[in-house]
Formats: sequence, C-alpha cells, structure tokens
Amino acid sequence: AQKVTQAQTEISVVEKEDVTLDCVYETRDTTYYLFWYKQPPSGELVFLIRRNSFDEQNEISGRYSWNFQKSTSSFNFTITASQVVDSAVYFCALSDGSNYQLIWGAGTKLIIKP
Amino acid sequence: KAGVTQTPRYLIKTRGQQVTLSCSPISGHRSVSWYQQTPGQGLQFLFEYFSETQRNKGNFPGRFSGRQFSNSRSEMNVSTLELGDSALYLCASSLIPKGTPNTEAFFGQGTRLTVV
Repeated sequence: AQKVTQAQTEISVVEKEDVTLDCVYETRDTTYYLFWYKQPPSGELVFLIRRNSFDEQNEISGRYSWNFQKSTSSFNFTITASQVVDSAVYFCALSDGSNYQLIWGAGTKLIIKP
Repeated sequence: KAGVTQTPRYLIKTRGQQVTLSCSPISGHRSVSWYQQTPGQGLQFLFEYFSETQRNKGNFPGRFSGRQFSNSRSEMNVSTLELGDSALYLCASSLIPKGTPNTEAFFGQGTRLTVV
C-alpha cells in the first residue's frame, strides 16, 4: 500500500532561518511521482514541484530546494532564508502514475515569525 | 487564464439534507478530481473524472457521487448528510489524466461545507 509520512506536524522558525520539511513515502511501484503542495490560509493548494521516480536529481528553484533520495524513500523540501509569506501548510503527495489519485501526507504547518 | 473555480465557497446544511458542489476546471483540462480535507483525516481522494467517465474512486460511501459534463465541468453530490461530512472539498483539474511527467493538478479554493 502507498503511504506518505510527514512526521513534523508544526515547525516554527524566525524569518531568514533555513527550514527543512521532511517527507517519507512507501510504495511498491517502480514508477511513481512525488509532489509538494503549499496551502496558504485561503485554502487553495498551490503546486510547487513534481518529481518522477527515475529522476533523483535535486532541484533548486529560488529559495526552494528539494532532495529526493530513493535509498531512504525521502523527498525533503528546504526553504532557504525563510520569509513570513512562506507561512502555510505544506503537503507532500505520491501518485503511482497509473492513475491520478494522489496519496497525501498529513501536512506540516510552517510558521515563520518576523 | 482562469484557474479552477469552485462554487459555492461556503455552505451550511442540516443533517439528512443533500448538497451539490460545482467545479469548473481550467479551460482545456479534461480531468477533474475531488478531495475531502478534514482536520482528522487530512486530504482524501474522492473520485476522478475524465471525459464524463469516472475513472477512479476513493474509499467513500455511496452517498458521495459525482459527474462530469461534456464541457468538463464537474459536480459532486452528497446525500443524507452527516455531521462528519463537514469538510473542505477541493477540486483539481489536470491537463492529462494519467500521471505523465507533464501533469500536475491545479486546485480550486474549495467549498467549505458545514453540516449542523
């Protein structure tokens, strides 16, 4: 069965600190996709990144970076020099690629204090 | 281009009633998925539609149903509402239904349903 675990329920840091959100997944599929979404208080889930199981290259997008390690089944997300606007709930999700059902982690609430 | 539009944004219903929620996907997107979000259960997949056909269904009772129209707009219906159905219902649209590398789901702001 597929499963996504985000062990950090809530993280609070002071602005400009770096913060890493952890995501561990379980799947028996060889082809799968991993996602990160951001949910601000408005409720809309905002797509951040998608990674397929055959691409273990880390990715950097501005202050955001992602570390995908198949050996540990992890897909961690780091925000560098955090800003107050980064405050939101962040979800990691998994799809097996044969359908578009997303399996979600419980989410990590990130609070950035000024 | 316009994003995913869900209506209404907020809804209050009484136990036993039924409710219909609407979702208009991004123009050109033919796949629409529905998710339920609650504090206790988190985000859970309800169903997915493509070209008016339900392709995938989550583990929800038959009181939850949906449909998709020829213009890709989708509705979900919940009959005989229970208190536990109170949740944020999110709709997502995708350009391609299968999990290809170019596919990501774009979400609407959701409909917050409160059952009293």
